[in-house]
Amino acid sequence: AQRVTQPEKLLSVFKGAPVELKCNYSYSGSPELFWYVQYSRQRLQLLLRHISRESIKGFTADLNKGETSFHLKKPFAQEEDSAMYYCALSQSGGSNYKLTFGKGTLLTVNP
Amino acid sequence: DGGITQSPKYLFRKEGQNVTLSCEQNLNHDAMYWYRQDPGQGLRLIYYSQIVNDFQKGDIAEGYSVSREKKESFPLTVTSAQKNPTAFYLCASSLGTYNNEQFFGPGTRLTVL
Repeated sequence: AQRVTQPEKLLSVFKGAPVELKCNYSYSGSPELFWYVQYSRQRLQLLLRHISRESIKGFTADLNKGETSFHLKKPFAQEEDSAMYYCALSQSGGSNYKLTFGKGTLLTVNP
Repeated sequence: DGGITQSPKYLFRKEGQNVTLSCEQNLNHDAMYWYRQDPGQGLRLIYYSQIVNDFQKGDIAEGYSVSREKKESFPLTVTSAQKNPTAFYLCASSLGTYNNEQFFGPGTRLTVL
């Protein structure tokens, strides 16, 4: 069975401070990892996926297979980063497309 | 915000009634999904469909039913057998064919009175 754990329900930082949202997973196969974000009154949307290796809105995430982690990081948080963040896992390269989501972390960036 | 639409935005139901939530997409995606979002629970998969006329149960399918008669449409019926139906329901779709980035609709909030 595949599982995604986000240990922090709530995370509060000040503007300009570094932020790290933690995500750990368990999966026996080769995983594909995603971060989704939901801003207030907006749809859930993809922030980034590990295979693209992009930096989106200043966020990066590195897949660490040894530690089974996919933590989301940003060196300098902005107030507009305040949102709910979900880590998600899928089978890589397979024909089963379903995602397993973590329970989410609500990030608040204070001025 | 085109692509995936859900209706209605808010839905009220009396206990014991079945209700159907609509989900339509014009992205030509093969795969569609229904999730339930509860505070502190994240997103939990109810049903998913990888192709027309085929669907599979997700993690919390009891008390729900779906159909996939058209590629564009994936309606979800919340039956009276669902013990705790009050929730926010999200529909999503993905291209499939080894591309599993999911695109989400705006959601329907169902309240059972």
